[in-house]
Amino acid sequence: RKEVEQDPGPFNVPEGATVAFNCTYSNSASQSFFWYRQDCRKEPKLLMSVYSSGNEDGRFTAQLNRASQYISLLIRDSKLSDSATYLCVVIPTSGTYKYIFGTGTRLKVLA
Amino acid sequence: GAGVSQSPSNKVTEKGKDVELRCDPISGHTALYWYRQSLGQGLEFLIYFQGNSAPDKSGLPSDRFSAERTGGSVSTLTIQRTQQEDSAVYLCASSLLAGPGLGRQYFGPGTRLTVT
Repeated sequence: RKEVEQDPGPFNVPEGATVAFNCTYSNSASQSFFWYRQDCRKEPKLLMSVYSSGNEDGRFTAQLNRASQYISLLIRDSKLSDSATYLCVVIPTSGTYKYIFGTGTRLKVLA
Repeated sequence: GAGVSQSPSNKVTEKGKDVELRCDPISGHTALYWYRQSLGQGLEFLIYFQGNSAPDKSGLPSDRFSAERTGGSVSTLTIQRTQQEDSAVYLCASSLLAGPGLGRQYFGPGTRLTVT
């Protein structure tokens, strides 16, 4: 089983739709979680950290479910500019700074 | 300010040749990471530096891969006797400090390596 798994998609949604992605992780001792965004042939950029209590940044909401070992990203009122690949990132244990990236979920927002 | 830079942006090399990839992190960033990303795949961790030392080399795929960092700044990733399976985008990232909550990573644009 992969350490971090994501549905590769693509998720094709119309503008204005709400879309959600999940990411599962295998190590129950995982410490920190992030969502990164990667545009085609570009480098990844941090979208948001994921906090235990859940957190929101504008149209984006991230949540952590430790019991079921997954994190989620919800995007409301999708924009064309949200089209990208969303990478889930997990730091598996304390004392290491080895970031484990998922393979990403591709989102296409359609006009 | 200047971000993370990498050179070359593209490298085409023949199988069996050695290549050196360079990363200039953001000034003052103590942590530096190397990843590679194959077509349609996620990022694969290779190695991490804290200052000039590499506490975690576990991701280096073989002994043909090595990396160093000097002066707490520039890092080079060297691949000896390149193979076709080494073809990928090699990404470098730096962060101000290492560790969860402190280590927002800023990525460079990557070096696209093609081994023919």
